[in-house]
Amino acid sequence: NAGVMQNPRHLVRRRGQEARLRCSPMKGHSHVYWYRQLPEEGLKFMVYLQKENIIDESGMPKERFSAEFPKEGPSILRIQQVVRGDSAAYFCASSVSNEQYFGPGTRLTVT
Amino acid sequence: QQQVKQSPQSLIVQKGGISIINCAYENTAFDYFPWYQQFPGKGPALLIAIRPDVSEKKEGRFTISFNKSAKQFSLHIMDSQPGDSATYFCAASLWGDQKLVFGQGTRLTINP
Repeated sequence: NAGVMQNPRHLVRRRGQEARLRCSPMKGHSHVYWYRQLPEEGLKFMVYLQKENIIDESGMPKERFSAEFPKEGPSILRIQQVVRGDSAAYFCASSVSNEQYFGPGTRLTVT
Repeated sequence: QQQVKQSPQSLIVQKGGISIINCAYENTAFDYFPWYQQFPGKGPALLIAIRPDVSEKKEGRFTISFNKSAKQFSLHIMDSQPGDSATYFCAASLWGDQKLVFGQGTRLTINP
């Protein structure tokens, strides 16, 4: 049973470009969460999605960030016009009950 | 009120010793408390979790102790091994809420 898959694992973007991070949940899991981890810090919740629905986006910055989980295909976290402060590790998790299982993360570097 | 405070920030333990990491929470409505283990460059892996209807849960060398009145919970790693060297995160949530609130992490080093 494959775990949560994320790609790319590393992403380098120049300031002002767009970043697209993809997450495929574990088989049978219908809930997806995105978290951000800054260096030497814990993970911070960003958004919780089910298929075609955003359930809780209370942790998402108001501007430039968006997320979707379409009926078919992976969940996408999109960051428009990236700034240096967006440099972080972005983790996706999936669950079928309360237990969340994390992917390996995408490490975004903004130059 | 949504914070989870974790201590210590870093911990060095000799091989075979007991590693103890503590967490305190503020929101009395939290009722699900997992611990995650993270190796460098990897995602967090669920280690063990507890709900407040029990005061202790043990899985192999890992034990969670939970004190509801003090709003504290801790992870004990018995017979610590060099392979346990990692960063450990506690977390809390409302059962069914799905949004995990994480502590700041503890970097554990087990000396051989």
